[in-house]
Amino acid sequence: DIQMTQSPSTLSASVGDSVTITCRASQSIGDWLAWYQQKPGKAPKLLIYKASRLETGVPARFSGSGSGTQFTLTISSLQPDDFATYYCQNYNTVSLLFGPGTKVDV
Amino acid sequence: QVQMQESGPGLVKPSQTLSLTCSVSGGSISRGSYYWSWIRQYPGKGLEWIGHIYDNGGAFYNVSLKSRATISVDASKSHFSLTLSSVIAADTAVYYCARVSWSGSVDSWGQGTLVTVSS
Repeated sequence: DIQMTQSPSTLSASVGDSVTITCRASQSIGDWLAWYQQKPGKAPKLLIYKASRLETGVPARFSGSGSGTQFTLTISSLQPDDFATYYCQNYNTVSLLFGPGTKVDV
Repeated sequence: QVQMQESGPGLVKPSQTLSLTCSVSGGSISRGSYYWSWIRQYPGKGLEWIGHIYDNGGAFYNVSLKSRATISVDASKSHFSLTLSSVIAADTAVYYCARVSWSGSVDSWGQGTLVTVSS
């Protein structure tokens, strides 16, 4: 079975910082990877799909890269609204698998 | 833009069956290219995919649920449903209904509903 890991689990940052979150798969998943942002009490919000494609309406400061087993989500200039938890997610035609999450806080 | 809303009891007794319905508006369940999914989130923790169903009724489930989950779809009524049998306290979670797109990403979510398993 594929395992998804994320690092770090918590990231402390300030407004204006560039931050990078890493997601690793235990075996190659091609580019079948998505990234989500979740705030307390809210449903996750899709940011990136197919590893690097920006979802409509998502600010361009969010970007995704990678393929195979290692992926990154970068926020180029952190804004106050970006403090949240971020999840990666793999799709393999019959199931979805989420990473454990990375909390970005002050 | 599609909107999704979960409904169902917020409290279920251990060993009983959890039943939730997701009402879909602003888009047709019958339109192809999407899977209709249930995902749950344990309090303060991560996300777990439960299963999903295509509009033709074909469904896939998380094997960890050991066949306790069943997802059905009623396209004529624009809703799909989840039943989870023999619930235990560890099934306490926020349950989301969601739409999975061709890219394998979840592009639409319900607001989530907390289900507590307790006597």
